[in-house]
Amino acid sequence: QQQVKQSPQSLIVQKGGISIINCAYENTAFDYFPWYQQFPGKGPALLIAIRPDVSEKKEGRFTISFNKSAKQFSLHIMDSQPGDSATYFCAASDTNFGNEKLTFGTGTRLTIIP
Amino acid sequence: AAGVIQSPRHLIKEKRETATLKCYPIPRHDTVYWYQQGPGQDPQFLISFYEKMQSDKGSIPDRFSAQQFSDYHSELNMSSLELGDSALYFCASSLVGSGDTQYFGPGTRLTVL
Repeated sequence: QQQVKQSPQSLIVQKGGISIINCAYENTAFDYFPWYQQFPGKGPALLIAIRPDVSEKKEGRFTISFNKSAKQFSLHIMDSQPGDSATYFCAASDTNFGNEKLTFGTGTRLTIIP
Repeated sequence: AAGVIQSPRHLIKEKRETATLKCYPIPRHDTVYWYQQGPGQDPQFLISFYEKMQSDKGSIPDRFSAQQFSDYHSELNMSSLELGDSALYFCASSLVGSGDTQYFGPGTRLTVL
């Protein structure tokens, strides 16, 4: 049972456009929600993360929107560039008891076309 | 800045052989996590260690074991390898109290023939 559901599975966006990836979670104990970017054959790299006490967090071209009541969060990439082409994973963890293992979504393969 | 180091980067083994993967966390990080990522899959949590003690266990087969040593490096030992063990194995490290960020290594690609 996938505890973190991610969509879409793949996404094609024109250069300069906005890329939007959505995630939904089941476990209400989750209190930390990071997004990771992964290039082929490389390890996941943290992009941006959010906690439930805020509804939005922005870092450069990357914004996380968080809806606690709906148990959903999304990543927006503004002014998408060809270098953003990668697989993106949302993740969640329950950090309250030192149990911080990440539960990942299934990933979104993003392709930015010129 | 120093990153997580994993060795070897690539490993090819035959069925029923054993493999040992090593992870060197970022200096001063006290927690190590191991994840397995199959082709086209999301990373799955295997096991974690905090201050050299096992802190959590996920879907790790009984054929696998791991430990964290006094210098905080960790090793994942895999025995009786099966074809289905072919995957990317990532180690991540973090520092308790520093915001919960896990930093991933470059991974070890294990191929079982």
